[in-house]
Amino acid sequence: SQQGEEDPQALSIQEGENATMNCSYKTSINNLQWYRQNSGRGLVHLILIRSNEREKHSGRLRVTLDTSKKSSSLLITASRAADTASYFCATDDSSYKLIFGSGTRLLVRP
Amino acid sequence: DTAVSQTPKYLVTQMGNDKSIKCEQNLGHDTMYWYKQDSKKFLKIMFSYNNKELIINETVPNRFSPKSPDKAHLNLHINSLELGDSAVYFCASSPQVSWEQYFGPGTRLTVT
Repeated sequence: SQQGEEDPQALSIQEGENATMNCSYKTSINNLQWYRQNSGRGLVHLILIRSNEREKHSGRLRVTLDTSKKSSSLLITASRAADTASYFCATDDSSYKLIFGSGTRLLVRP
Repeated sequence: DTAVSQTPKYLVTQMGNDKSIKCEQNLGHDTMYWYKQDSKKFLKIMFSYNNKELIINETVPNRFSPKSPDKAHLNLHINSLELGDSAVYFCASSPQVSWEQYFGPGTRLTVT
């Protein structure tokens, strides 16, 4: 079953704007990961945040985690056309497997 | 250098046939995975091997059988293919379980 649900399902913004995607999950987790998938390609790992962390940065990416609300957000600042892709959150609940969400399709218009 | 590679990239076959997809990683990782991504982009774990030992076997029909000859390879054999098997199959690897995963480019399987 799907653990995570991303919100929104689709997002269209202008180049230079910020993009925020949210992920909600159901069970306790060890860590939460964000991945990007360009059309017709494999997933690329972006960032991993552990359950005892609240915020993490990587370049133009900022991830937050609120374990009390069982939610996470991914912020992409100063978006570029090359950021156009689907973004997935994935949770690790100690069962040796990642459970992926349904994804957010991001379109960055030049 | 390709980190996680899969062959073939595209596979078109008829119902009832048997086919295999191969996966190799040159990252020295201990853990490898097979995922299925359906037409709605839902990605679901099928199998996982850690040091050649099967550690995840989700509710997958017996027609699907993974084989790991060594830590760097995880192949997927599918018997008696059905229309519903059409999907994109991704191989992935990670240094250890629960760490970040590195995905292959995917194999688009079409069963006619």
